Amino acid sequence: DAMVIQNPRYQVTQFGKPVTLSCSQTLNHNVMYWYQQKSSQAPKLLFHYYDKDFNNEADTPDNFQSRRPNTSFCFLDIRSPGLGDAAMYLCATSRAYNEQFFGPGTRLTVL
Amino acid sequence: GQQLNQSPQSMFIQEGEDVSMNCTSSSIFNTWLWYKQDPGEGPVLLIALYKAGELTSNGRLTAQFGTTRKDSFLNISASIPSDVGIYFCAAARRDDKIIFGKGTRLHILP
Repeated sequence: DAMVIQNPRYQVTQFGKPVTLSCSQTLNHNVMYWYQQKSSQAPKLLFHYYDKDFNNEADTPDNFQSRRPNTSFCFLDIRSPGLGDAAMYLCATSRAYNEQFFGPGTRLTVL
Repeated sequence: GQQLNQSPQSMFIQEGEDVSMNCTSSSIFNTWLWYKQDPGEGPVLLIALYKAGELTSNGRLTAQFGTTRKDSFLNISASIPSDVGIYFCAAARRDDKIIFGKGTRLHILP
């Protein structure tokens, strides 16, 4: 089945220790998104790639970076995680700006 | 900027009851979407609407794209325990990424 895969599902890191979350997709969609979701809130868009073009949201902290080495994969790097970065991180894909399909998410804990 | 006002914020119902929730905006959109999110999982697309006035069903779920293009509603008939979760509306203008409402949390009382 075509899908969006996120690894790992649960990630624990230490305060200030860099962490990378990964996302892959078999849908062959050209747009990939990273969202941060805190408890009981809507997903908050951090950035997205439209093909190879990177689009950052204005209020995304510099601590968050992303890489998209090819169509299928996209990575979220958190350079120096703080306690406030503990959240669920969701990857999504779409064909152009059509409906988005989400992965299962990675829950990040910062100790 | 664009904003979606989703209501109610939460609702408590008895199993078997029908549910209705809606999403409104002061902006016009070309696409309305409804997602459901279970605890610890990513949102799952339930229904996508592309045309003003469109009424679409998916099993016990029915959603409509408002004729003004500024609103949408979702109905769930004969609720069952697995309907528990957070329902998000989302909308987009043509050639623009989607934005999300704040969600409606559905609780079902035994």
